[in-house]
Parts: sequence; structure tokens; C-alpha cells
Amino acid sequence: EVQLVESGGGLVQPGRSLKLSCAASGFTFSDYAMAWVRQAPKKGLEWVATIIYDGSSTYYRDSVKGRFTISRDNAKSTLYLQMDSLRSEDTATYYCARHPLGASFDYWGQGVMVTVSS
Amino acid sequence: DIQMTQSPASLSASLGETVTIECRASEDIYNGLAWYQQKPGKSPQLLIYNANSLHTGVPSRFSGSGSGTQYSLKINSLQSEDVASYFCQQYYDYPWTFGGGTKLELK
Repeated sequence: EVQLVESGGGLVQPGRSLKLSCAASGFTFSDYAMAWVRQAPKKGLEWVATIIYDGSSTYYRDSVKGRFTISRDNAKSTLYLQMDSLRSEDTATYYCARHPLGASFDYWGQGVMVTVSS
Repeated sequence: DIQMTQSPASLSASLGETVTIECRASEDIYNGLAWYQQKPGKSPQLLIYNANSLHTGVPSRFSGSGSGTQYSLKINSLQSEDVASYFCQQYYDYPWTFGGGTKLELK
């Protein structure tokens, strides 16, 4: 059974940093691209970033380029999202998702809440 | 970026009814379309991929159709557990984009 478990969320002040983690199990992590998708309170879904299976290529939405860094440790089957220079508009639930490139997000974690506020 | 427009934004239907949700892309996405279901307080779950293929474990009362820029999700014989928000998403081109969602409630 595919399982994705996020951690690392919380309350952070504007301009500060936070690092999210996603522990994967139930599949060969190193075979798949992975992604972060977020959802602001009472809003829709928004893709944030994707990293391919070996970490050699990454993709970001424009609003987080230069501030967020997606990475992975295939030995630990873990995905990360380093979020720097956080803004109030980054407040959202962040989901980790398996993202075979050229395909849909086929499995999702339970999500972790990030609140950016002073 | 490819814009995805869903309609309606909200929908109220009775048990046993058939429901259809529409999704329109701003350009041809060549069936690179998925539908997700998000129940209250839960994470999204994949229902349909490639516009009309059912994901593993999804009940057969869900179906997808469409081509080009116009796609739809149909739920036959609505059940109480289908109360949720539904989102379409295109993966034909980067950046990957979602529709605004449709909130389905019971009448």
C-alpha cells in the first residue's frame, strides 16, 4: 500500500523559513517523480513543485521560484520542501504526492498545515 | 499557462441521481486530464486519469469523458459517500494546473 506521511508544518513569521518532509513507503521511491501541492484555507488546489526520480531536474510554480527548494533522499525514501522568505500567501495545507511525469498525481499524503503570520 | 474552468462551482443533488461536472481547458490538452475527489477534512484522491480511465479501487459509478478542451465527470446513482469537492487537473503541459473545484452536496 502506498503511504505518504508529511511532517514539519507549523506557525512561522513572515520572512522566516520552514522545511517540510514526506516519508514514503509501499513503492520504490527512487522510480518516481514526486511533487508538493498546496491548498489555502477554503480554496482550491495549487501545484507547487516537482522533482524527477533521481533529483536531477526540478520544476516550480512562478510564485515560489527562488524561495522554495524541492529535494529528495532516495536512500531514506523521503521528499523535502525547503521554504524560505515565507509570505502570508504561502499559508496553506501542503500535500506530498506521487507524480509520474506526464501523468496525474496518483497518491497523496494526508497534508501538513503551514501558517505564515506575525 | 493552461487555464482550467470548472462548472458548476456548487451542486446539490438527491441520492440515486446522476450528476455531471464539466471542465474546460483554455487550449487542447489531448486527454491529459485527471479528476480528483476531496472529502471534507481529507486529502484529494485520484478518480480518473487520461480523461476516461478509472483509478484503482474507484467505483464504476464514476466515469470520465471528453476530448480537446471539453471534459466531464459523471457520477451515476449518487451515494451519500460521494459528498465531496471535485477538481479537474491538466497534465498535458507544465505548469500543471487545476480547476477551481465543484462542491457536491446532498439535496
